[in-house]
Amino acid sequence: KNEVEQSPQNLTAQEGEFITINCSYSVGISALHWLQQHPGGGIVSLFMLSSGKKKHGRLIATINIQEKHSSLHITASHPRDSAVYICAAVTSGTYKYIFGTGTRLKVLA
Amino acid sequence: DTGVSQDPRHKITKRGQNVTFRCDPISEHNRLYWYRQTLGQGPEFLTYFQNEAQLEKSRLLSDRFSAERPKGSFSTLEIQRTEQGDSAMYLCASSSWDRWQPGGAFFGQGTRLTVV
Repeated sequence: KNEVEQSPQNLTAQEGEFITINCSYSVGISALHWLQQHPGGGIVSLFMLSSGKKKHGRLIATINIQEKHSSLHITASHPRDSAVYICAAVTSGTYKYIFGTGTRLKVLA
Repeated sequence: DTGVSQDPRHKITKRGQNVTFRCDPISEHNRLYWYRQTLGQGPEFLTYFQNEAQLEKSRLLSDRFSAERPKGSFSTLEIQRTEQGDSAMYLCASSSWDRWQPGGAFFGQGTRLTVV
């Protein structure tokens, strides 16, 4: 079992739909990092959070430390949101990144 | 600062050849990480440095792989006697690590290696 699990692995949505991507982890963390990866490999940071909730535009990230679970929500999805979304646990103590396998999102117009 | 830069972006090499990749982190960042990513998978940890010290190496990093960060700035990742299974995207990231307030990692564009 991976230390960081994401679901779903693949997701296809219609433009405008509300999207949720889930991340569960089994390691002790200092923070949870949500990242976006576009074709070609570039990885962009979305959120880094250690408690509660963060919002930026149409993106919302939440984390429940007790349940070791985080979610990334996209409201009013758009085709330009199509990308791979990766959650990464920043381990406590060593601050090493452990990545989930990613969720490949495709938003259709 | 233009962020984390990696060179080259693409490398095609014949099996058995040696290759070296370079990563230039964000200048004030003391942590530097190397990851490998194959198609459809999330990045896998290879190794990381704090300043010039290599703190951890994954068991994925066979003795054909070596990484250095000689002056605590740029880093190189060398693969000797490349094999087809080494074909992957090699990602570098850097962060500003403070014991009490770790910073998020910033990623380079990666070096895509194809071994033929």
